[in-house]
Amino acid sequence: QKEVEQDPGPLSVPEGAIVSLNCTYSNSAFQYFMWYRQYSRKGPELLMYTYSSGNKEDGRFTAQVDKSSKYISLFIRDSQPSDSATYLCAMKWSSGGYQKVTFGTGTKLQVIP
Amino acid sequence: SQTIHQWPATLVQPVGSPLSLECTVEGTSNPNLYWYRQAAGRGLQLLFYSVGIGQISSEVPQNLSASRPQDRQFILSSKKLLLSDSGFYLCAWGSGNTIYFGEGSWLTVV
Repeated sequence: QKEVEQDPGPLSVPEGAIVSLNCTYSNSAFQYFMWYRQYSRKGPELLMYTYSSGNKEDGRFTAQVDKSSKYISLFIRDSQPSDSATYLCAMKWSSGGYQKVTFGTGTKLQVIP
Repeated sequence: SQTIHQWPATLVQPVGSPLSLECTVEGTSNPNLYWYRQAAGRGLQLLFYSVGIGQISSEVPQNLSASRPQDRQFILSSKKLLLSDSGFYLCAWGSGNTIYFGEGSWLTVV
């Protein structure tokens, strides 16, 4: 079983739709939870991070963490064609005094005008 | 603000040739530094990470190596490239709760 599971998609939605992206994880040591957006042939760009269960909102984006279920989500409201990208979830944890980050494989999103 | 620079952006190298990818970070001191490789459909694979000058930890045994000659400089190297080394290489730096990526280097081994 992978430490982080993420549906690869692709996920196609019409412009203006609400998008829900999800990841599950198995490692209880994960402390911080992040979402990255990656456009084709570019480095991942940090969208949001959080460390506690609950919701965190930033503009059209809401990150949700449920530590009891080991489940995180990213919601995108009023989706735009410019949101078309691959979205990666990531989780940061400490191991042997080092900070490590484990990534999901990414969900490819296409927003159709 | 902090910025991360990575080069070259694209390179095509023959099998058996050496490799050197360089990464520098500005605007922070003593950062944790990381090298990742991203292959299609396989997500981001951590190759090396460093918590300080000369301190390198390897996550995956392979023909690659990393060095950190200065606080904000991280170098990924190989003496002899394999076809399987082709991929997208990303340098990243860590701060507190998260990590930030460079723009990446596309390597094609032919």
